Amino acid sequence: EAGVTQSPTHLIKTRGQQATLRCSPISGHTSVYWYQQALGLGLQFLLWYDEGEERNRGNFPPRFSGRQFPNYSSELNVNALELEDSALYLCASSLAGYYNEQFFGPGTRLTVL
Amino acid sequence: KQEVTQIPAALSVPEGENLVLNCSFTDSAIYNLQWFRQDPGKGLTSLLLIQSSQREQTSGRLNASLDKSSGRSTLYIAASQPGDSATYLCAVLYGNNRLAFGKGNQVVVIP
Repeated sequence: EAGVTQSPTHLIKTRGQQATLRCSPISGHTSVYWYQQALGLGLQFLLWYDEGEERNRGNFPPRFSGRQFPNYSSELNVNALELEDSALYLCASSLAGYYNEQFFGPGTRLTVL
Repeated sequence: KQEVTQIPAALSVPEGENLVLNCSFTDSAIYNLQWFRQDPGKGLTSLLLIQSSQREQTSGRLNASLDKSSGRSTLYIAASQPGDSATYLCAVLYGNNRLAFGKGNQVVVIP
């Protein structure tokens, strides 16, 4: 069974541009989570989508947004990129609802120059 | 505030020694606790998940204990091997369905 997949593996952008990151969950999973792992800050929760709706949001500015498609894949958009947005962005998926185990993808490394 | 702390931040052990990694959390109202392994620049590999009602979980050379009342979990890795060198992350799931992560224990096993 395929795990969580993310694309692209690496993404290089310049300050002020927009970045789009994609995630495909494990088959049968309808919840998708996004986390940011910036150097020195540890993993921080960004967003949770379930059944196409945003269910919870971490302490990030509005220029971090996303959506979930009918096939449960998800997109994370980061607008007006800043240097400090450089990080590893990890996507996870789980069964629907609360308190289920989250399975992580390999991540997208975003570098902002 | 839901904080997760892992001590020590980094450690080196000779091959064959047992590894003991500690995780503490400030809010004991957890639903489960997971231990992950992360290799440099890579994603997370789940090692063990302990439900809040459980005291421990075991998988091969790995054993994790959970003491909810004191806000602590410990990951034991028996007979460490060079391939165990990685960063180990502790994550706690709270009622808002977010995982709160520690900053990790960076482990080097010396052959």
